[in-house]
Amino acid sequence: EVQLVESGGGLVQPGGSLSLSCAVSGFTFSNYWMHWVRQSPGKGLVWVSRINSDGSSATYADSVKGRFTISRDNAKNTLFLQMNNLRAEDTAIYYCARAFAQCTGGSCLDSWGQGTLVTVSS
Amino acid sequence: QSALTQPASVSGSPGQSITISCTGTSNDVGDYNLVSWYQQHPGKAPKLMVYEGTRRPSGVSNRFSGSKSANTASLTIFGLLPEDEADYYCCSHAGSSTWVFGGGTKLTVL
Repeated sequence: EVQLVESGGGLVQPGGSLSLSCAVSGFTFSNYWMHWVRQSPGKGLVWVSRINSDGSSATYADSVKGRFTISRDNAKNTLFLQMNNLRAEDTAIYYCARAFAQCTGGSCLDSWGQGTLVTVSS
Repeated sequence: QSALTQPASVSGSPGQSITISCTGTSNDVGDYNLVSWYQQHPGKAPKLMVYEGTRRPSGVSNRFSGSKSANTASLTIFGLLPEDEADYYCCSHAGSSTWVFGGGTKLTVL
């Protein structure tokens, strides 16, 4: 069974940092592109970042570029999101998601974690 | 990276059909056949319902159908069931390996 479990969320002050993890199981992690998607309370989904299967390429939404870094450890089946200089508007549930193998260019997400809540507030 | 435009809400009675639109630009929806649709029930993670505009993952009911014309993609749900009541989001590749979601549509089954 495919499983993705996020952790690392919590309360952080504006300007602070937080590191999220996503532990996966049930599939060969190193074969898949992975994404982070966030959802502010009561709001819609927003794409955050994507990393390719070997970690050599990453892309970001403009809203987080230069502040967030996506990475992965294929030996430990874990995806990461390092978030720096956090702002109130970064408050959201952060989901990790797997790119569907049958979808061209990793452009759709077939497995999602349950999310971890990040709250940025003083 | 502006969000794709979806209606805030749609509604229909059981057995009826509804269509949710998703309007982008020639830089995203119009430029790629890479629109996907997600269903999200309250407090749950999203679920992939349609990908590459028209294709359904294994296990998704054929009551869900996707289409695209120019800069607008659409999701049609035939034969509405009470369990279809949820939020629906479209998503498109937007170039340079970036993606953009729509604002979401709340479907109410009356």
